Amino acid sequence: AQSVTQPDIHITVSEGASLELRCNYSYGATPYLFWYVQSPGQGLQLLLKYFSGDTLVQGIKGFEAEFKRSQSSFNLRKPSVHWSDAAEYFCAVGERNNDMRFGAGTRLTVKP
Amino acid sequence: DGGITQSPKYLFRKEGQNVTLSCEQNLNHDAMYWYRQDPGQGLRLIYYSQIVNDFQKGDIAEGYSVSREKKESFPLTVTSAQKNPTAFYLCASRGLSGANVLTFGAGSRLTVL
Repeated sequence: AQSVTQPDIHITVSEGASLELRCNYSYGATPYLFWYVQSPGQGLQLLLKYFSGDTLVQGIKGFEAEFKRSQSSFNLRKPSVHWSDAAEYFCAVGERNNDMRFGAGTRLTVKP
Repeated sequence: DGGITQSPKYLFRKEGQNVTLSCEQNLNHDAMYWYRQDPGQGLRLIYYSQIVNDFQKGDIAEGYSVSREKKESFPLTVTSAQKNPTAFYLCASRGLSGANVLTFGAGSRLTVL
C-alpha cells in the first residue's frame, strides 16, 4: 500500500535562510507526487507536482522539489524563506485517477 | 471564479446530534472527496465519489454518510455514531480528464460540546 512519511513534525528557520522539508514515500510504481501548503484554518493549496520527466520541479512562491527514485524521496526546498511562508506543508502521493495519501504534515515557523 | 465552497465554516454540535456539512463546486469536476484533519495526523479520507449517484468509503467512513445527487454537490453528514467528531473537515474535487490534482475548499471546523 502506498504511504507517505514526513519525518519532521515542526521546523523553525530564520527569515532569509534556506529550507528543506523531507518527504519519503512507499509505492510500487512511479507515483504522482505533490506538495501542498495550508495556512491556519484554511484549505490546502498546491505548491508543485511531479508526474514524470525532469526530476527537479518548480512550483509557486519560489519552491522547488526534487524526485529521487533511489531514495524514494521528494524533498521540498526554498533558497530563502519569507515570513509569509510560515504554514503547514503536506506531501502527498497518488496515481492517476486514484485517491491520494497524505503525510502527517510539517509545520514551518519562521523567525524574524 | 471557479472553486469549492464549504459551509458552515464553524459548527458546534451537541452529542447525539447529526450534522451536515455542505460542499459545492463550480469547477465541473467529476470526482469529489471528504477528508478529516486532526493535528499531527495529516488528512484521512472519509468518502469519495467519482460520478453522480455513486460513492465509496475511504479509510475512516464509520459514523459518516454522504450523498451525490448532483455533480456540483457532495454533502457530508456526521452522525451520532461517530465517536470523536471534533475535527477540521476538508472537501476537495478533481477533474477526471486531467492529472490527479485536488482542489480544496476552505474547510469546516466541527466542535462537539
